[in-house]
Amino acid sequence: RKEVEQDPGPFNVPEGATVAFNCTYSNSASQSFFWYRQDCRKEPKLLMSVYSSGNEDGRFTAQLNRASQYISLLIRDSKLSDSATYLCVGNTGGFKTIFGAGTRLFVKA
Amino acid sequence: NAGVTQTPKFQVLKTGQSMTLQCAQDMNHEYMSWYRQDPGMGLRLIHYSVGAGITDQGEVPNGYNVSRSTTEDFPLRLLSAAPSQTSVYFCASSPRPGTGTSGANVLTFGAGSRLTVL
Repeated sequence: RKEVEQDPGPFNVPEGATVAFNCTYSNSASQSFFWYRQDCRKEPKLLMSVYSSGNEDGRFTAQLNRASQYISLLIRDSKLSDSATYLCVGNTGGFKTIFGAGTRLFVKA
Repeated sequence: NAGVTQTPKFQVLKTGQSMTLQCAQDMNHEYMSWYRQDPGMGLRLIHYSVGAGITDQGEVPNGYNVSRSTTEDFPLRLLSAAPSQTSVYFCASSPRPGTGTSGANVLTFGAGSRLTVL
């Protein structure tokens, strides 16, 4: 079983929709969590860090539930430009950063 | 700033050939790592380094060697390429691994190296 698991999707949503991705992690020692965005044939780029108290950045909200060992990403008012693969990432506080397989999002006009 | 630079961008090898993927960063990052990305598998950690002279294995280290003689460079070596190593390879770096400080563990990636082994 992978340490970080995500629903691969794809998620197909219309512009303006709200979409949520979930991610679970198996290593309870994981300390830091992130969401990265990856466009087709490009490198991953940091979207946002995930804090225990939850955090928001514009239309994006990330939450962490340590008791259940899952992380979520909510995108409100989806834009065409949000179409990408979203990668859930966990770090054990040691030196390993582990990526989930990614969730593909397609936003349609 | 160049950030993380990977070379080559594309490479075709024959089975059994050797090659080195180069990775250099100019951000004075302590942590560097190599990932491979395959369809449906996401990014899988091959090897990583927390500083010059220190390397360790990730999830899928077999068939790959690394070294870290300087802070800036972290080359990935394939000693005898196999078709199973056909993939896109990403090098990444971050400022300070294993800490809770802001920016720690946030990875900056190179543009990727697409390798095909025939």
